[in-house]
Amino acid sequence: DGGITQSPKYLFRKEGQNVTLSCEQNLNHDAMYWYRQDPGQGLRLIYYSQIVNDFQKGDIAEGYSVSREKKESFPLTVTSAQKNPTAFYLCASSGPGGGGQPQHFGDGTRLSIL
Amino acid sequence: SQKIEQNSEALNIQEGKTATLTCNYTNYSPAYLQWYRQDPGRGPVFLLLIRENEKEKRKERLKVTFDTTLKQSLFHITASQPADSATYLCALSSGGSYIPTFGRGTSLIVHP
Repeated sequence: DGGITQSPKYLFRKEGQNVTLSCEQNLNHDAMYWYRQDPGQGLRLIYYSQIVNDFQKGDIAEGYSVSREKKESFPLTVTSAQKNPTAFYLCASSGPGGGGQPQHFGDGTRLSIL
Repeated sequence: SQKIEQNSEALNIQEGKTATLTCNYTNYSPAYLQWYRQDPGRGPVFLLLIRENEKEKRKERLKVTFDTTLKQSLFHITASQPADSATYLCALSSGGSYIPTFGRGTSLIVHP
């Protein structure tokens, strides 16, 4: 079955540590996204990528970094500069067709501080 | 600034009734409006998309309306079941951008 796989499901970060969240898709989609979801809040866009080797900052990119070396993969690194990283992180992808295309989501990674 | 409003209070209804959820927006001219379902600890799942020139769209027990004059979308689930209990998110996007803006979602609880 085609879809988006995020790992790990739960992740703990120590003070001063960088952690990387994995996102893999086998939908052959060019566009991929990372969102952060906090309780009672909407999804906030961290980074997005329209094509391999290119990515753009979203609304809350500070303290995060990404890479897009392969079409299938879009890992997110939460750096030590992100002072409030505890949240539910969602990765998504979409096919061609602009805003008329639905987003396909993974099942998220919940990040907590140790 | 662009704003999407969904009722933050949970909607409680009895099984078999029709659930109606609201999505209002301001300072936005969306070309597309989407509805998603999110279960606890899971990612959102796409349900329906409606275009600005469409008034209504249906899929099985689901119906979405889109009123660009009122700047509002209504999402209906007929003959609701306890399994429909979840949080429902609306998302808007313009024709030029493929990145939707999501509302905070409304929790629906269907009681048996």
